[in-house]
Amino acid sequence: EAGVTQFPSHSVIEKGQTVTLRCDPISGHDNLYWYRRVMGKEIKFLLHFVKESKQDESGMPNNRFLAERTGGTYSTLKVQPAELEDSGVYFCASSQDEPPPIAGFTDTQYFGPGTRLTVL
Amino acid sequence: SQQGEEDPQALSIQEGENATMNCSYKTSINNLQWYRQNSGRGLVHLILIRSNEREKHSGRLRVTLDTSKKSSSLLITASRAADTASYFCATAIYNTDKLIFGTGTRLQVFP
Repeated sequence: EAGVTQFPSHSVIEKGQTVTLRCDPISGHDNLYWYRRVMGKEIKFLLHFVKESKQDESGMPNNRFLAERTGGTYSTLKVQPAELEDSGVYFCASSQDEPPPIAGFTDTQYFGPGTRLTVL
Repeated sequence: SQQGEEDPQALSIQEGENATMNCSYKTSINNLQWYRQNSGRGLVHLILIRSNEREKHSGRLRVTLDTSKKSSSLLITASRAADTASYFCATAIYNTDKLIFGTGTRLQVFP
């Protein structure tokens, strides 16, 4: 079974440019999450999709970030325009909900290798 | 301070020794997950322990959870040089699915 994949692995752009990151979750996983780790800080939650719907986007830093998951399969995270403080590693994760009898509990989140974004 | 704080921040041991890392958190949780990150690579899931569980084993890993103290520990027995990595605890906050990560413990195992 293929794991979570992310593309690109690295991206170097200049301030003001646009970058789009892509995540392909594990097949069959309805839940997809984006996290990021900026230099020296802890890994922080950005948002959560259930299929194509945004379940929780409380971690999105500002309106320069736009996440989509058309069709409920892969997801993209666009940063436009990029700022210096956006540099960091962006992780994607996916999970499936627990079946009954313990439905409602979050299952293991499987992470991709991350995209390292550098904004110059 | 952070939802997940780990202790120690760094740990150096010899191969064959045991390594213990601790994690404390602040709010009610659904579960707590431990991850490993090798330098420059992605996060590898190690083990998940639910809020109604107290101890779990997986190979050389042993995780405990004390919800009354809001703390967890990860024990790696008979460590190997390949265990060298950063280890993170992540709590799934009650009634949400997002994970809150700790700052991590950097483990160095010397051959």
